[in-house]
Amino acid sequence: QVQLQQSGPGLVKPSQTLSLTCAISGDSVSNNSAAWSWIRQSPSRGLEWLGRTYYRSKWYNDYAASVKSRITINADTSKNQFSLQLNSVTPEDTAVYYCARTVAGIGNFPHWGQGSLVTVSS
Amino acid sequence: EIVLTQSPGTLSLSPGERATLSCRASQSVSSSYLAWYQQKPGQAPRLLIYGASSRATGIPDRFSGGGSGTDFTLTISRLEPEDFAVYYCQQYGSSPPYTFGQGTKLEIK
Repeated sequence: QVQLQQSGPGLVKPSQTLSLTCAISGDSVSNNSAAWSWIRQSPSRGLEWLGRTYYRSKWYNDYAASVKSRITINADTSKNQFSLQLNSVTPEDTAVYYCARTVAGIGNFPHWGQGSLVTVSS
Repeated sequence: EIVLTQSPGTLSLSPGERATLSCRASQSVSSSYLAWYQQKPGQAPRLLIYGASSRATGIPDRFSGGGSGTDFTLTISRLEPEDFAVYYCQQYGSSPPYTFGQGTKLEIK
């Protein structure tokens, strides 16, 4: 079955870049019917979808308007994983970050990573 | 962007009772692209219902979803001790952005 394993630092300084990786097992990041998202959760903002990457003969990305100027999601086919980079972070970006998978163009999330608490603090 | 409002914020019930949770959308959710999730402390959300009324794999039949347009419900017919958790609705339209409700906490009375 599909499993998503997250990794990355738990503490990031303000103004720096938050970077997380999600390693995939049981599927391919290049699967033509899957999409790979990042979602975060904080007490102040609740569950917030941040963006996704997916492959349909070429790579596509969609990003939430709230982070569009600061976010990059990339796939690494050689390692079968995808990553999140969020630039210029502030304490408001402190949250639990999840990677998640959708299938067949349908945007509900049957598969989630374990979650990563990222704290933005000096 | 579609805003989802869940009610009540907290629901206090006893095991064996019936729970009804509500999710209202700020505009019509296309093709009933509405999902429900359960989340327990320290865990990722778990998909319960998709397409407003279809149970996800492995979800017991005491969980049921209904509704269309802007008004949706999640019903748990007879509460088991493991059902006490936070529940979220999510709309996933035909394309992003995907949005979630703020959650309903189901607690033991």
